[in-house]
Amino acid sequence: RKEVEQDPGPFNVPEGATVAFNCTYSNSASQSFFWYRQDCRKEPKLLMSVYSSGNEDGRFTAQLNRASQYISLLIRDSKLSDSATYLCVVKGAGRSQGNLIFGKGTKLSVKP
Amino acid sequence: ETGVTQTPRHLVMGMTNKKSLKCEQHLGHNAMYWYKQSAKKPLELMFVYNFKEQTENNSVPSRFSPECPNSSHLFLHLHTLQPEDSALYLCASSQDAGVGNYGYTFGSGTRLTVV
Repeated sequence: RKEVEQDPGPFNVPEGATVAFNCTYSNSASQSFFWYRQDCRKEPKLLMSVYSSGNEDGRFTAQLNRASQYISLLIRDSKLSDSATYLCVVKGAGRSQGNLIFGKGTKLSVKP
Repeated sequence: ETGVTQTPRHLVMGMTNKKSLKCEQHLGHNAMYWYKQSAKKPLELMFVYNFKEQTENNSVPSRFSPECPNSSHLFLHLHTLQPEDSALYLCASSQDAGVGNYGYTFGSGTRLTVV
């Protein structure tokens, strides 16, 4: 099983839509979780950390389910500028402790 | 600018060449990383330096040789590369390796093509 798994998409949605991405991770000892955003041919940028109680930043909501080893990202009222690849990231545990482990990413395309 | 600067932005090199990638961070971080991003693959961790000491070498071939002279600078020396080494090489930094709930800040990357 891959350490971090995501649906690669692409997700093609109209402006204003609500879209949700899911991610699963394999190491139950993992402690820190993040969503990064990567635009085409650019570097990844931190979008938000994911906390156990769930957290919201404007139109973005992140949730963590430790029992199911599952992380989600919800984007409300999608904008054209939200088009990017969204990377699910887990801080490793055990042999990979402290290192960030990246999923392959989910591609989002928001259309007018 | 993110506070992590990588040079060059683009590099084309032959298989017999020797070149170096440079990374510099102005964030006061103590940990620096090299990642490789190939098409259709997740980012792959190559090397980790924490307080100038290499703490991880993720089974990277010896044709890639990192150097970290201080906490602000990181190099990746390249020699006798193969075409399959063509990829985006990303440098990142963080406050510390292994501790705390903070992510990494990435540089813009060097897009390497081996011919």
